[in-house]
Amino acid sequence: AQSVTQLGSHVSVSEGALVLLRCNYSSSVPPYLFWYVQYPNQGLQLLLKYTTGATLVKGINGFEAEFKKSETSFHLTKPSAHMSDAAEYFCAVTHTGRRALTFGSGTRLQVQP
Amino acid sequence: DAGITQSPRHKVTETGTPVTLRCHQTENHRYMYWYRQDPGHGLRLIHYSYGVKDTDKGEVSDGYSVSRSKTEDFLLTLESATSSQTSVYFCAISEGQGDTEAFFGQGTRLTVV
Repeated sequence: AQSVTQLGSHVSVSEGALVLLRCNYSSSVPPYLFWYVQYPNQGLQLLLKYTTGATLVKGINGFEAEFKKSETSFHLTKPSAHMSDAAEYFCAVTHTGRRALTFGSGTRLQVQP
Repeated sequence: DAGITQSPRHKVTETGTPVTLRCHQTENHRYMYWYRQDPGHGLRLIHYSYGVKDTDKGEVSDGYSVSRSKTEDFLLTLESATSSQTSVYFCAISEGQGDTEAFFGQGTRLTVV
């Protein structure tokens, strides 16, 4: 069975500050890991994904995430927060042969001016 | 944006009535999914389809049924709606499984009173 834990249901940062959203996963096989973003009243869109290869993955809007197998983590970061980054962020996991994603409970990011 | 249309976008229904939500895609993707989104739970998989007439259950399938008679349409039916099925429902599509990106619709907000 696979699972995802996102630490912190709400995170608040100041504009220009570092964004760090935490994701830990559980998987008995090599995982594929995803970060999705959801803006108010919209569906989810992909920020970035890790499948194989380079463990530091860059995504859209200046976000990146690093796959750390030893820590079973896939934390999302952005050096400088922008007001437009306010949204809910979901980490998800799957693996080869699995047909659907398993999502974490989400982290709502608030950006203060 | 991926061509995914969910209908209706909003619905209020009474307990005990049947409800059908529709997901229509224009991408010719093989896989289609129904998720529900609830605060504190992230997105949870209800049912998915891996081809016409091929469907399988997800983790929260009780009280729901699905049908896929054409590649482009995936229907979710609540046979007898209950208040616990008040939620936001998302349809997603993907070309493949595992490391393939899933694209999400805009969601349907269902309220059961």
